[in-house]
Amino acid sequence: QVQLVQSGAEVKKPGASLRVSCKASGYAFTNYYIHWVRQAPGQGLEWMGVINPRSGGTTYAQSFQGRVTMTRDTSTNTVYMELSSLRSEDTALYYCVRPVRDARPWAGFEIWGQGTMVTVSS
Amino acid sequence: DIVLTQSPGTLSLSPGERATLSCRASRTFSGSFLAWYQQRPGQAPRLLIYDASTRATGIPDRFSGSGSGTDFTLTISRLEPEDFAVYYCQQYGNSPGTFGQGTKVEIK
Repeated sequence: QVQLVQSGAEVKKPGASLRVSCKASGYAFTNYYIHWVRQAPGQGLEWMGVINPRSGGTTYAQSFQGRVTMTRDTSTNTVYMELSSLRSEDTALYYCVRPVRDARPWAGFEIWGQGTMVTVSS
Repeated sequence: DIVLTQSPGTLSLSPGERATLSCRASRTFSGSFLAWYQQRPGQAPRLLIYDASTRATGIPDRFSGSGSGTDFTLTISRLEPEDFAVYYCQQYGNSPGTFGQGTKVEIK
């Protein structure tokens, strides 16, 4: 079945960097964009950026520009999200998400990873 | 960026009642590219509706979406116990896509 499986929970110190992986299965990996969305504890959903697994092209939210990098490995059907200069406000659940439609960056977010909890604390 | 404002913040209803959730955009966006999600405690969001009115795969027909321009509505015709959750709207007509702050549907 179609699924996105993310790497496990992380605890990081302020100033450190983070890398979360998202492995796709059950569909043609390069046909669907992958987005990253985060959710701080008790808060709403915040879009971080999107990657085109076919070309590797990316678009990032303004609030994360310069701190986030999204990459992909087509040999393993895996997308990576790196976030640098971590601060306490980055403590959140991070999701990778696949849209409902192929070949278009934006559509309803149909497939969600299980989430990766990231805690930033000294 | 387009700001989505959801109302009410909390909706207190009983099972079997009808729920009407509103999502208002700060300006119009391309198409009727609006989605609704349900999030139960401890779970990832689930896509209910996309393109304003298309139900996602496996979503019961008690969920319906409507609207255009800047005003959109999610209606749950008869609340089931599993429907008590937080609901988010998202526009994806203009990049970046943005989410509303959520409406909590709680048991009265």
